[in-house]
Amino acid sequence: KNQVEQSPQSLIILEGKNCTLQCNYTVSPFSNLRWYKQDTGRGPVSLTIMTFSENTKSNGRYTATLDADTKQSSLHITASQLSDSASYICVVSAEKSGGYNKLIFGAGTRLAVHP
Amino acid sequence: DAMVIQNPRYQVTQFGKPVTLSCSQTLNHNVMYWYQQKSSQAPKLLFHYYDKDFNNEADTPDNFQSRRPNTSFCFLDIRSPGLGDAAMYLCATSGGGSSYNEQFFGPGTRLTVL
Repeated sequence: KNQVEQSPQSLIILEGKNCTLQCNYTVSPFSNLRWYKQDTGRGPVSLTIMTFSENTKSNGRYTATLDADTKQSSLHITASQLSDSASYICVVSAEKSGGYNKLIFGAGTRLAVHP
Repeated sequence: DAMVIQNPRYQVTQFGKPVTLSCSQTLNHNVMYWYQQKSSQAPKLLFHYYDKDFNNEADTPDNFQSRRPNTSFCFLDIRSPGLGDAAMYLCATSGGGSSYNEQFFGPGTRLTVL
């Protein structure tokens, strides 16, 4: 069964600190993996997207890694800001015939950055 | 700016009273999706349109219908909302071909059922 699991479920850190969010997946055949940021009451916004051959991708203070062998990804946030408080969702795309790649969503990690 | 727009942002309806949620896009994308997201849960795909072709997920209740009159607009109709249908409804779009996967989400419509 295609699944995406994220940990921790929630996290509280102080402003300026770094943190790392984890994502494990069992999706086959794998197409790509992306991290979304979802502010409360808003739609998800894409942070990074990685294909099988990529093992790291950065977007400002966000750095995502991918280990396709162990089927693990992480999202590292550097020098956190209050505006980083949000849910971070790991989404894996399952390659299917006919061109449509279904997205498998993780439940998200809820991050709270405190002053 | 090219974007995905959802109206209204907040919708209140009564139990059993039909409701329609609206999504429009200026990205000229072929594909439009509707997701249901309940509190602290991952978004759940209800259905999607590839151009005019409608693709329903196997576990989407018959109570949920969709219309896409043109490329820019897509509607979600809930024929008889129940209390369990209270959720955030997200519209997303993606282009066809090699960009089929990259989905751009709207801000969502939060539905309350009284």
